[in-house]
Parts: sequence; structure tokens; C-alpha cells
Amino acid sequence: NAGVTQTPKFQVLKTGQSMTLQCAQDMNHNSMYWYRQDPGMGLRLIYYSASEGTTDKGEVPNGYNVSRLNKREFSLRLESAAPSQTSVYFCASSERTGNTEAFFGQGTRLTVV
Amino acid sequence: AQSVTQPDIHITVSEGASLELRCNYSYGATPYLFWYVQSPGQGLQLLLKYFSGDTLVQGIKGFEAEFKRSQSSFNLRKPSVHWSDAAEYFCAVGGKAAGNKLTFGGGTRVLVKP
Repeated sequence: NAGVTQTPKFQVLKTGQSMTLQCAQDMNHNSMYWYRQDPGMGLRLIYYSASEGTTDKGEVPNGYNVSRLNKREFSLRLESAAPSQTSVYFCASSERTGNTEAFFGQGTRLTVV
Repeated sequence: AQSVTQPDIHITVSEGASLELRCNYSYGATPYLFWYVQSPGQGLQLLLKYFSGDTLVQGIKGFEAEFKRSQSSFNLRKPSVHWSDAAEYFCAVGGKAAGNKLTFGGGTRVLVKP
């Protein structure tokens, strides 16, 4: 029972490099989310996808892009990484947006040097 | 401004003592309310949720939460804390009142003393 799977678990990037964080869920959920977690700031929503084919900005979208590849997969791309993007990134999914339980992946710890 | 606030950043409690974590929200209508727990190095797990009905909600791991509309609060409680309850706890809001997005408070880190 995999739930929400994120890859990679750890990543170190140099400033200006690009990378894509991958997320897949096997629960047939409609909605998927990307959050970043920084000390003392809780989880802040970067982007979300209410359903396949739609994406919307969250609280902190600058510097990121997303793709809802299909119902299962929701990727997060950093086009030109900056030290301010050093964080732990969590992907989550839920049956519907914001009013049902969200299930979280194990997180990706990203360091930008 | 719409927000969800956890006033306590850190709480230290002795094993066996009671625990109460505070959560306040500021929205035009009552949002859906959630409490999540994050153990070190892990993702988040749902403890309990409130949508409507009985204002005292029971969750997993012996936790409960009480919704108080007059205080715009949804505080989490546990009568007797175990060492394994050391973790970070997040209050979150969702539903139509919260723009159909799941928004988190800043979290409260709980330390348990032997």
C-alpha cells in the first residue's frame, strides 16, 4: 500500500540548476498538492491541482512550476534554483480539494548551495 | 486577513501529564478543521477532523479536540502523554470557507520529559 510516493528523498543543487520533484499517488485521488516546510513557518502551499488537467497557485508559487501529468502524478519543477528554495518539500493528495483528509508523502529534503 | 494560528511554538510536558495545544482561525465562515502530527523525519498523519456536528471530536492515539465557534478555536488535547507523543503538531483548515485549499498553522513542537 504505497500511498503517496515522492522522489528523490534528498537532493543538493547548485544555484541556477534545475530539477523536477516527482510525486505519484495510488489512491485514485482527484486533488494533489505541493507544500514546502521551513522551520517555524509550518507548511506553505506552493501549487495545487484540484483535478486532472487543472493547476492553481498557492501561497508561495514564485520560482516553481507544476505539471499534473495524469491523475496519479503531479511534478514540481525548479527552473533556476536559489538558496531561498532550500527546504523540505511535501506532496499530498486528497479525494477532493481541502475538505477531505490529505495523505502526505515522506518529503524531499532539498539544499541549494 | 484569513489565517490559522498556533500560538505556542514549543511545549514541554512530563510523561503522564495532560497536553493541550491551541489553534485559532480567522475566516468569514467556519472552515473544516484538522489536526496533523509529524514525527521526526516523517510525513504528516491525520489525527482528527471536524466538519460539523458534535463539537468534541475523538481521534487516533488517544487525542481529542474541541471546536468552539465563539472563540474561533479548535484545541487539541490528550489526558496523559506518552514519550512517543513527542512530535510536531499542525492545525489546518480547509473547505469552502478556506478557499477549498488546505492551509496549515505554523506548528507546535511537543517535547516529552521522562
